[in-house]
Amino acid sequence: DTGVSQDPRHKITKRGQNVTFRCDPISEHNRLYWYRQTLGQGPEFLTYFQNEAQLEKSRLLSDRFSAERPKGSFSTLEIQRTEQGDSAMYLCASVRYANTGELFFGEGSRLTVL
Amino acid sequence: KNEVEQSPQNLTAQEGEFITINCSYSVGISALHWLQQHPGGGIVSLFMLSSGKKKHGRLIATINIQEKHSSLHITASHPRDSAVYICAVRKWMNTGNQFYFGTGTSLTVIP
Repeated sequence: DTGVSQDPRHKITKRGQNVTFRCDPISEHNRLYWYRQTLGQGPEFLTYFQNEAQLEKSRLLSDRFSAERPKGSFSTLEIQRTEQGDSAMYLCASVRYANTGELFFGEGSRLTVL
Repeated sequence: KNEVEQSPQNLTAQEGEFITINCSYSVGISALHWLQQHPGGGIVSLFMLSSGKKKHGRLIATINIQEKHSSLHITASHPRDSAVYICAVRKWMNTGNQFYFGTGTSLTVIP
């Protein structure tokens, strides 16, 4: 257990439905990253928060994707009108600000879009 | 072209063998990470390096900043070492640290 928790661990949904994933980072970690990982690939950056501020978004993050970190603690990643290509593992990671830089990953949320 | 390249992509070894996984990167970095991902599991940080060499148990990680290359070695490999090993580099950007990941090396150690 790295201290970063994600929920749900697995989600199966039909195309067109909305899904939301939650990440609870380690409490003293100011920075929170969302990544997407498909089979045989390394994690791909989606977005990043410094406290509650979303500082960077990848071009991978289409208009159907939105992420929030309202109080600078937990974060949510919502995918609207899911497509089969959204099927992937969604990983959350946190790191302490002005940090040693060590990343702590959650177990991931696996999304399957039918 | 990916900023981080790993080799080999897949590796099968007999128990007890010495294993080396390589990582090359093309960007200027502040640190390099080696991560381990078990099937269906989360990612665990093994090492963070900015220079030289680190050892933890049977695992050794080295980095050559000038050559932009790092290696992860596993001595006396064991079936429980079977996992995907991912190299990631940390680069400082105006908005903060950004991480670039390799595609991973899938290691299978056969008893």
